[in-house]
Amino acid sequence: DQQVKQNSPSLSVQEGRISILNCDYTNSMFDYFLWYKKYPAEGPTFLISISSIKDKNEDGRFTVFLNKSAKHLSLHIVPSQPGDSAVYFCAASEALTGANNLFFGTGTRLTVIP
Amino acid sequence: ETGVTQTPRHLVMGMTNKKSLKCEQHLGHNAMYWYKQSAKKPLELMFVYNFKEQTENNSVPSRFSPECPNSSHLFLHLHTLQPEDSALYLCASSQGASSGRVYNEQFFGPGTRLTVL
Repeated sequence: DQQVKQNSPSLSVQEGRISILNCDYTNSMFDYFLWYKKYPAEGPTFLISISSIKDKNEDGRFTVFLNKSAKHLSLHIVPSQPGDSAVYFCAASEALTGANNLFFGTGTRLTVIP
Repeated sequence: ETGVTQTPRHLVMGMTNKKSLKCEQHLGHNAMYWYKQSAKKPLELMFVYNFKEQTENNSVPSRFSPECPNSSHLFLHLHTLQPEDSALYLCASSQGASSGRVYNEQFFGPGTRLTVL
C-alpha cells in the first residue's frame, strides 16, 4: 500500500501565479518530508524539506507547509515561472529510526504557462 | 565529475544477457541507493548501502544483484531479466545513517533507462 500519495497527476498554472502541490501520507511515524523536482532525462533534484517539529519552511519562492494532524503537506511556488515546469515528487522518511530510506509519491507534473 | 553519475544512460538487453549498471558519487557520502521508476508508479527503493554494508533489500528478485566495493561506487548486476523490468533505474547517495535522528536529503544521478526485449 502506498504510504505517500500525490493525488493530482498534473497541474497547470499561469506564469506569475501561485502553484500549490499537495501530498498526503499515511504513516504517522514519518517525521521528515522532502520535495524533489525532476526534469526529463535527469534525476530528481532536491528542492526543500521540513521536519515534523516545524509547520512551515521557506526558501525563496518555495514554501512547504506541514499539517501533521491531517497528514498532509503542500508545496507553494510563488510567483511561478516557466522554468518551474517539471514533475514534483513528495517524499517522506522516519528520521527518528536513524535510517534515511525515502518513500516517494507518484509525482505531479506542473506546467507553468507563459 | 561532480555529483552522482550513472553509466550507461541507456541500455537495451535481451532476457538472457548479463549487464551491469554503474553509479559513482563525488560528494563524500557514505550511503548509496538503487531505485526503480516505472511508468505511473512511485520511485521504488531497491537496495540501500550504508558505509558499504547492505542495510536494505526491498524484496527485490535475485536477478538484480547489487555490489558496493567502496563508499563511492555502486553497481547493479543484471541477469535473466524480464520485459517488466524495463524502467528507469536511479542511483542516489546521502550522508550515512547512524544512531539518532537523521535528516539527510538524497542526491540522485540521471538514471539508466533500461529496456528488456
